[in-house]
Amino acid sequence: DVKVTQSSRYLVKRTGEKVFLECVQDMDHENMFWYRQDPGLGLRLIYFSYDVKMKEKGDIPEGYSVSREKKERFSLILESASTNQTSMYLCASSSRGKGAETQYFGPGTRLLVL
Amino acid sequence: SQQGEEDPQALSIQEGENATMNCSYKTSINNLQWYRQNSGRGLVHLILIRSNEREKHSGRLRVTLDTSKKSSSLLITASRAADTASYFCATDGSRLTFGEGTQLTVNP
Repeated sequence: DVKVTQSSRYLVKRTGEKVFLECVQDMDHENMFWYRQDPGLGLRLIYFSYDVKMKEKGDIPEGYSVSREKKERFSLILESASTNQTSMYLCASSSRGKGAETQYFGPGTRLLVL
Repeated sequence: SQQGEEDPQALSIQEGENATMNCSYKTSINNLQWYRQNSGRGLVHLILIRSNEREKHSGRLRVTLDTSKKSSSLLITASRAADTASYFCATDGSRLTFGEGTQLTVNP
């Protein structure tokens, strides 16, 4: 079974702090994604990556950056956390080949910025 | 860019009843997927239907796709309390685009 893990289930940070959210997948997937999920807004894509050291902006990249130094790991970075970044963050991965359309999600990190 | 939109936003039924959720989208697609999310958890892929398919089954799930109407439906038959979750449709494009989901509550 594909397993996508996220470093924390719950996180509380203060405004202005630098925040790292880590995501690791164990299925050798090429593609990885970061979403945030907010009530009434659904899932919105922040950043994605189709290969190591490669990144693409999603729909709402402002205030975020990402890092993909290894194929299995995709990190989301909040350089200076703000209260409007309080949200549920979901990481996902998918393969490049057949079945690439299916994304496998981690359990999510609920971030509260005070 | 939000493409898939689920309807209704919320649905409450009794155990044993069937649940039907709908999804509408705006542009042409290669495939449409349905995902499920238990409260506070990640999404789990349920089923994928390609644009040249009209109906697909998986266990108690039945998905239909009408590309002329740009709509899909997810039917869960003989629902169980454990089916309580949010259900999302996702359409492809350059990447997956998710709707806001239907919150299904199945009462025991």
